[in-house]
Amino acid sequence: AQKVTQAQTEISVVEKEDVTLDCVYETRDTTYYLFWYKQPPSGELVFLIRRNSFDEQNEISGRYSWNFQKSTSSFNFTITASQVVDSAVYFCALIVNRDDKIIFGKGTRLHILP
Amino acid sequence: EPEVTQTPSHQVTQMGQEVILRCVPISNHLYFYWYRQILGQKVEFLVSFYNNEISEKSEIFDDQFSVERPDGSNFTLKIRSTKLEDSAMYFCASMPAVYHEQFFGPGTRLTVL
Repeated sequence: AQKVTQAQTEISVVEKEDVTLDCVYETRDTTYYLFWYKQPPSGELVFLIRRNSFDEQNEISGRYSWNFQKSTSSFNFTITASQVVDSAVYFCALIVNRDDKIIFGKGTRLHILP
Repeated sequence: EPEVTQTPSHQVTQMGQEVILRCVPISNHLYFYWYRQILGQKVEFLVSFYNNEISEKSEIFDDQFSVERPDGSNFTLKIRSTKLEDSAMYFCASMPAVYHEQFFGPGTRLTVL
């Protein structure tokens, strides 16, 4: 069975601090895709990144970076120099090769305090 | 930039009533989905639709639910007899090809009284 675990239910940091959101996934498939989505207070789901299981290179996009480690089945997300606009719920998600439905984690609610 | 649209943004209905949630996927996309998010909880898969038929459905998607793509552009989710526990945000998504990014609509908030 496939599963995504986001152990951090809620995190609060002061603006400009760095923050890492953890994501651990479970699957027996060797081909899969991992995602992060952001859900701001307005409610929509905003796509942030997709990685496939064969590409373990870390990725940086502006203040966002992602650390994919197959050895620990983790796909962690770091926001550097956080800003108040980063306040949202962040979902880690998984699709396996033989399937196309997204399996979401329970999300981490991130509060960036001014 | 093309986007998935959903109407209405908020629907209030009485228990037992039928509701139809509408989605217009991105025009060249081939795969369509409905997801549900009960307030404060995670997003859950309901159903996937490809080539004019359901390709997969979850346990949540029981006989009260149905989907349709009536005219090649709209993609609808019908709940025949709503229950209180159907109150949730319903997201439509579309995807151009397998294993690509799924593009989500802004959601329809359904409130069942």
